[in-house]
Amino acid sequence: GESVGLHLPTLSVQEGDNSIINCAYSNSASDYFIWYKQESGKGPQFIIDIRSNMDKRQGQRVTVLLNKTVKHLSLQIAATQPGDSAVYFCAEKESNGQNFVFGPGTRLSVLP
Amino acid sequence: ETGVTQSPTHLIKTRGQQVTLRCSSQSGHNTVSWYQQALGQGPQFIFQYYREEENGRGNFPPRFSGLQFPNYSSELNVNALELDDSALYLCASSLPSPSTDTQYFGPGTRLTVL
Repeated sequence: GESVGLHLPTLSVQEGDNSIINCAYSNSASDYFIWYKQESGKGPQFIIDIRSNMDKRQGQRVTVLLNKTVKHLSLQIAATQPGDSAVYFCAEKESNGQNFVFGPGTRLSVLP
Repeated sequence: ETGVTQSPTHLIKTRGQQVTLRCSSQSGHNTVSWYQQALGQGPQFIFQYYREEENGRGNFPPRFSGLQFPNYSSELNVNALELDDSALYLCASSLPSPSTDTQYFGPGTRLTVL
């Protein structure tokens, strides 16, 4: 069945460095993708999204890259800050579908 | 903050009991989705409600049921609770697909089944 997975379950970065979190997806029919950030005890928080007609989208300090050829998604966080420490999920969805399919998540730890 | 609220925040039940969880969607959002998130895992889709009717369901048994009200708020009911039902239950609101289908999550209800 369709699935979304992450290459790295944990990632530790120094404060101020850039972070890259990767995600693989298997449903070629998915055409909408979201990165969510989840802090301890809270619900997932929307960070950035991208549709399949785009390869790159930038937000404030974050960039999402989509490679449809290899079904790969990445989240880049510039100048990582302590407040960025959380679990990050990528989620995929078909345009005519109801639900997002989430991967297991990557824990990002920012070292002082 | 997303504007999606859930109640209660925490709940402890015993095996075999029934539970009702509640969700108020973000203003203007008429679609509510429920997810179950086990510890250390990503959220798993339970079902979605749109215009007070179920509009898609994941791989969950019938003892998981729901309601949506005219004001778009929603309930998740779980009967005959099992130990494995212990999880964080998340509600997400959105506008219907495909135009604006970004889902915004509430803080969740932590359910513990003993």
